[in-house]
Amino acid sequence: DGGITQSPKYLFRKEGQNVTLSCEQNLNHDAMYWYRQDPGQGLRLIYYSQIVNDFQKGDIAEGYSVSREKKESFPLTVTSAQKNPTAFYLCASKVAGSISSSYNEQFFGPGTRLTVL
Amino acid sequence: LAKTTQPISMDSYEGQEVNITCSHNNIATNDYITWYQQFPSQGPRFIIQGYKTKVTNEVASLFIPADRKSSTLSLPRVSLSDTAVYYCLVGPPLVFGKGTRLSVIA
Repeated sequence: DGGITQSPKYLFRKEGQNVTLSCEQNLNHDAMYWYRQDPGQGLRLIYYSQIVNDFQKGDIAEGYSVSREKKESFPLTVTSAQKNPTAFYLCASKVAGSISSSYNEQFFGPGTRLTVL
Repeated sequence: LAKTTQPISMDSYEGQEVNITCSHNNIATNDYITWYQQFPSQGPRFIIQGYKTKVTNEVASLFIPADRKSSTLSLPRVSLSDTAVYYCLVGPPLVFGKGTRLSVIA
């Protein structure tokens, strides 16, 4: 089955520790995204990547880092510099480019809920 | 970036048609209007997208007037399972606001 997987579903971290969230897709999509969602709020863009080995900062990139070494994978590292990392993290992917009826259709993973203890 | 304004919440009874209106006064020529649905603790799901006039799929209809400064998502005959948050976005790039929390009542 094609789709996006995120692991783990729940993650607990002690203050001061870095942690990496996994995101894998087998949809052959070029673009991938990381969002953060706080309770009762919308999604905020952390980082995005349109192509392998290239990525751009979103609105709230401070304290986060990413890599895009493979088309299928876009891991997110939450560093100790992120002051309030407890949140729900969502990864998404999309076919880059071509205008079509689903031009803005992003496919989302199930999310990882990170809690800092 | 074009911003959108939509109601914070709406209530509806089962079986009714629900219309959620979104305003986007600063929409750009190249922007598409896109709606997503999100259930608690899940990622959003694409519902429908349009550029102008009317678009319909198996889930919803999207009405866009000629000036494109607003749009209306229409959900026919809602059920309890349609209780969710609905986001209106224009772009790309997509910017998710707080959305509209729809509660369907039996």
